[in-house]
Amino acid sequence: EVQLVESGGGLVQPGGSLRLSCAASEFTFSSYWMHWVRQAPGKGLVWVSRINSDGSSTNYADSVKGRFTISRDNAKNTLYLQMNSLRAEDTAVYYCAREVREAARPGSFDYWGQGTLVTVSS
Amino acid sequence: EIVMTQSPATLSVSPGERATLSCRASQSVSSNLAWYQQKPGQAPRLLIYGASTRATGIPARFSGSGSGTEFTLTISSLQSEDFAVYYCQQYNSWPRTFGQGTKLEIK
Repeated sequence: EVQLVESGGGLVQPGGSLRLSCAASEFTFSSYWMHWVRQAPGKGLVWVSRINSDGSSTNYADSVKGRFTISRDNAKNTLYLQMNSLRAEDTAVYYCAREVREAARPGSFDYWGQGTLVTVSS
Repeated sequence: EIVMTQSPATLSVSPGERATLSCRASQSVSSNLAWYQQKPGQAPRLLIYGASTRATGIPARFSGSGSGTEFTLTISSLQSEDFAVYYCQQYNSWPRTFGQGTKLEIK
């Protein structure tokens, strides 16, 4: 069965950095666009970033543009999110999610990881 | 940015009854609309994509309808495991945006 397992979350001070990882298994990782979505405590889902299948194209939410970088290593079946200049408002559970695309059309997120908690606090 | 607005924020329904959840987009998203279910402490689960197609393994009591800017998720006969938070999401344009969620609670 498809598995997405996030890691790398933790407590970090404002202005600090953190790198999240998402290990994928049981599917052809290199064929899928991947996303990061976050959820602040008690709040709703917010899309953060996406990367296409070969890593040549990315998009970011305005709130993280210039501070976060999404990347992937298809040889290691792993998605990354490098987070710099962290702020208190970045505190959230971060999920990685797989986008299902049919005939190159945009798609929904059919598989999600269990999430990793990032807490930005002094 | 397309704003997704869900209503109501909270819906109280008795088991066995029908629940109807609404989602409105600030501009047309065609049929590029998904619904997700999230239970406490769990990741979201895809229920409906393409506005009306059930995802793999989703029971037939879940149905979606609509296109353009108005969408509906209907749960025909609520089971105990259906009480959760439901989110709609548009994937027609960037950034992808979610509604604020509807909490479905037991009446």
